[in-house]
Amino acid sequence: ETGVTQSPTHLIKTRGQQVTLRCSSQSGHNTVSWYQQALGQGPQFIFQYYREEENGRGNFPPRFSGLQFPNYSSELNVNALELDDSALYLCASSLKSGDTDTQYFGPGTRLTVL
Amino acid sequence: GENVEQHPSTLSVQEGDSAVIKCTYSDSASNYFPWYKQELGKRPQLIIDIRSNVGEKKDQRIAVTLNKTAKHFSLHITETQPEDSAVYFCAATSNQAGTALIFGKGTTLSVSS
Repeated sequence: ETGVTQSPTHLIKTRGQQVTLRCSSQSGHNTVSWYQQALGQGPQFIFQYYREEENGRGNFPPRFSGLQFPNYSSELNVNALELDDSALYLCASSLKSGDTDTQYFGPGTRLTVL
Repeated sequence: GENVEQHPSTLSVQEGDSAVIKCTYSDSASNYFPWYKQELGKRPQLIIDIRSNVGEKKDQRIAVTLNKTAKHFSLHITETQPEDSAVYFCAATSNQAGTALIFGKGTTLSVSS
């Protein structure tokens, strides 16, 4: 198992609400990436944080936002929740070195929007 | 941006047989290609990866091959076991967004004993 943890494990929200998901990166890692995995699909890249700055963003609207803290943990915030936001949200931590990093995933947060 | 296609979507084999999963990518600048195994309700687990300066990599029963000219890479599992049953995802880097991984849609591998 990786040292990447996420909280909470499961979450149920209603449409229009806001949610915050949390990720603690593996010791020694400085980069956190967030992915959305819909049922039966591959993970889709939301954004990446490196040294507390956004370092790339996928095709997600601005109501998806994030933060990275000095200890390299990270938050994903989603405003104005929609039914289609129901998914497994995965974070992955890595140590940025050179052009590519090996990413290790956390267990995910299962978000259900009613 | 990068696009990754993965085939087949489902694969059923008998224990002891070999399994092959194939992926193609669109961005010729992609240079890192990991494979993840995801069991039901669990996190994706990295099982093997390959970088563009290598054509083949092997780790016990698992091997990955890369053809940069054709822009495709494949996962080979030999002597399959029931515990190999899972969803397998290939991925490639997207140079347009840091080191974002762009995933295929997954292959559900079922190994029957």
